[in-house]
Amino acid sequence: KAGVTQTPRYLIKTRGQQVTLSCSPISGHRSVSWYQQTPGQGLQFLFEYFSETQRNKGNFPGRFSGRQFSNSRSEMNVSTLELGDSALYLCASSTGQGGGYTFGSGTRLTVV
Amino acid sequence: GNSVTQMEGPVTLSEEAFLTINCTYTATGYPSLFWYVQYPGEGLQLLLKATKADDKGSNKGFEATYRKETTSFHLEKGSVQVSDSAVYFCALSDRSNDYKLSFGAGTTVTVRA
Repeated sequence: KAGVTQTPRYLIKTRGQQVTLSCSPISGHRSVSWYQQTPGQGLQFLFEYFSETQRNKGNFPGRFSGRQFSNSRSEMNVSTLELGDSALYLCASSTGQGGGYTFGSGTRLTVV
Repeated sequence: GNSVTQMEGPVTLSEEAFLTINCTYTATGYPSLFWYVQYPGEGLQLLLKATKADDKGSNKGFEATYRKETTSFHLEKGSVQVSDSAVYFCALSDRSNDYKLSFGAGTTVTVRA
């Protein structure tokens, strides 16, 4: 079966702009989680959506938001980009009821 | 709350050496335990998992046993290869936290020929 698909793979944006990242989970998976990975902070949990509702949220400012559609695809939006938002953004899908997560290859965002 | 502590790296080994990465956890419930691996420039891949005490997860020559009495899930491989060079993450999830994954800081392993 198809894996988790994240688009785009690479992105370069300018400070102050906004960006939208997309994640298509494995078919049948209802949960999508987002993580930010940086060399200094490691893997940090952003939020999780389950059946179109945000179920968990990490400690990120309100500039970071997300949503999930009825087909379980999820988008993450970052507004007013800062240099410190440069990171690898990973999404992971699961059934939402235990059993583990499958990760996508990530979107590498560079803010200049 | 839930937390995972794993051995700080980096770890550098010669090919065919024995690898151990220690991982201990704190959880409010009865968690499932995972090891993920991240190769350079890629996302995370599930390496192995265990869902109950004394379960042994294994894959690609790697093994880890769920030890409830010591709250540990140490990763081992008897003979590493250069291709095992990667970052390894220990993680847990449990029902009390809606199965949210909690990760350790990651251990960078470099295997030299």
